[in-house]
Amino acid sequence: EAGVTQSPRYAVLQEGQAVSFWCDPISGHDTLYWYQQPRDQGPQLLVYFRDEAVIDNSQLPSDRFSAVRPKGTNSTLKIQSAKQGDTATYLCASSPSGTGHNQAPLFGEGTRLSVL
Amino acid sequence: QQKVQQSPESLTVSEGAMASLNCTFSDGTSNNFRWYRQHSAKGLEVLVSIFSDGEKEEGRFTAHLNRANLHVSLHIREPQPSDSAVYLCAVISSGSWQLIFGSGTQLTVMP
Repeated sequence: EAGVTQSPRYAVLQEGQAVSFWCDPISGHDTLYWYQQPRDQGPQLLVYFRDEAVIDNSQLPSDRFSAVRPKGTNSTLKIQSAKQGDTATYLCASSPSGTGHNQAPLFGEGTRLSVL
Repeated sequence: QQKVQQSPESLTVSEGAMASLNCTFSDGTSNNFRWYRQHSAKGLEVLVSIFSDGEKEEGRFTAHLNRANLHVSLHIREPQPSDSAVYLCAVISSGSWQLIFGSGTQLTVMP
């Protein structure tokens, strides 16, 4: 079974540029998460979806970040006008329905972003 | 809001010596804890999940949970240089799959 796939693996931008990250979750997983992991810190949740609906985006900087999952499958996270403070690894994870102990999110390898 | 702290920030052990990592959390009502490993520029690999007080073993990795003390630990038996990585503790909020992570422990295993 294919895991969570993310692209690109790396991105380098100048401040002010835009960038999009793409995530293909595990087939059949209805819940999708985006995490931001600054260097030397643990991942922090930005937003998560159940199917195409946003469940929680309270930690997403709404002025420059946006996330969509239009058909409830793949998802795109976009940063408009990137800042140096956005330098981090962006991780996507997916999980099936429910909160059973065996239904924990599984993570992709992440996109490592550097903003110069 | 659940807070998760890990210690030490970094740990160096010799190959074959036991490695012990610590994690404290603020909300004792959680009942779902995970330890992840993250090699450089890689995703997160689940090592052990533990849901009740006591011990849970997965191969060379053993987690100990004591919710009364708000503490969960990870012990790595016979660590190898390939175990050198960042180890992350995660606490899952009750009723959802929102993972709250600690900031990690950088483990280095010397040959």
